[in-house]
Amino acid sequence: DAGVTQSPTHLIKTRGQQVTLRCSPKSGHDTVSWYQQALGQGPQFIFQYYEEEERQRGNFPDRFSGHQFPNYSSELNVNALLLGDSALYLCASSLGQYYQPQHFGDGTRLSIL
Amino acid sequence: AQTVTQSQPEMSVQEAETVTLSCTYDTSESDYYLFWYKQPPSRQMILVIRQEAYKQQNATENRFSVNFQKAAKSFSLKISDSQLGDAAMYFCAYTSGTYKYIFGTGTRLKVLA
Repeated sequence: DAGVTQSPTHLIKTRGQQVTLRCSPKSGHDTVSWYQQALGQGPQFIFQYYEEEERQRGNFPDRFSGHQFPNYSSELNVNALLLGDSALYLCASSLGQYYQPQHFGDGTRLSIL
Repeated sequence: AQTVTQSQPEMSVQEAETVTLSCTYDTSESDYYLFWYKQPPSRQMILVIRQEAYKQQNATENRFSVNFQKAAKSFSLKISDSQLGDAAMYFCAYTSGTYKYIFGTGTRLKVLA
């Protein structure tokens, strides 16, 4: 049973560029959440997708956007990249209820030069 | 706004001994869930234990147990018979019906042989 998979593993971009990160949820899960984890910090909630809609959003600017597809996979898009966007981006999937535990992927390490 | 605080950046424990990691939180909601997640070095974050706010009984999972003090808004994790494989970052997390996940800054646990 495949867990949460994220691609790519690592990515290097320059300031001002745009990036798309991808996530496939664990089999049977219908909810995907995205987090930004700076080095040595806890994950910061970006947003959550359920039934192809953004259900909740954290304190992130509109440069961060996402999408969920009918097969529940998801993308995170970041526009106009800043140096401060350098971080590990984690995807987590779960069942739809808020109290369900989240299953995390290995993350995408994004470096901005 | 809800907050989660982990005041111990780093803890050490001798193999086979017991260690307690602290977490406090702040919320005005009555129904919520608290979690402890473990993030080993360069590996996936995994769920350790989950506690529902309405349940007075403390959750237990094998060597892991919590001390949930709802009035004090405290949620500590006790690891008994510590093993080398327990070495990791431990994150306390909160969620409620708003579907927003809030993580603490983490505690790095070192297990000494």
